[in-house]
Amino acid sequence: QKEVEQNSGPLSVPEGAIASLNCTYSDRGSQSFFWYRQYSGKSPELIMFIYSNGDKEDGRFTAQLNKASQYVSLLIRDSQPSDSATYLCAARFGASGGSYIPTFGRGTSLIVHP
Amino acid sequence: DVKVTQSSRYLVKRTGEKVFLECVQDMDHENMFWYRQDPGLGLRLIYFSYDVKMKEKGDIPEGYSVSREKKERFSLILESASTNQTSMYLCASSLTGSAEQYFGPGTRLTVT
Repeated sequence: QKEVEQNSGPLSVPEGAIASLNCTYSDRGSQSFFWYRQYSGKSPELIMFIYSNGDKEDGRFTAQLNKASQYVSLLIRDSQPSDSATYLCAARFGASGGSYIPTFGRGTSLIVHP
Repeated sequence: DVKVTQSSRYLVKRTGEKVFLECVQDMDHENMFWYRQDPGLGLRLIYFSYDVKMKEKGDIPEGYSVSREKKERFSLILESASTNQTSMYLCASSLTGSAEQYFGPGTRLTVT
């Protein structure tokens, strides 16, 4: 069973702090990893993806991948109240017909308080 | 910008009714997906399609069927709605070879 695990939270951080969201996955063959942000009542929105070991930075967001330890992290620097949302981690496994279906974690709720 | 639209944001149906949820994407994506999302259970895949007229079952296909007659359109059908199908339904699409999914706004379905 291929699984992606996340702590459901909530993770509460003060405004301006670094929020660290973590995710572990069960399949060593996983190729790529994604972070989605989902505001309450809205649909998930892709914010980052990472394929290689190490860090990938995009503005205030940094994704970190460690394939040996099978974990993925998302760091949000200078957290803002507008970052308050549920963050979904997803890992890609191959599927039939040439499609690629990600496996989603259940998400971590982040609350950034002023 | 990828755009995925869904036919309704909110829908209320009665038990036993046949329900159609429609999804349209405008980016020529080969893959389309239907998920349901429930509190504490996360996203669960119902069906997916990797080409016109092709479909495959996801993790929870029971009680649902799908139709894909055109590349841009993927429909989810609840043959006889039941109260345990009350949920948020999300459609997504992606290019072949890519697992980056783009989601529609979702349909919150209530079955009474």
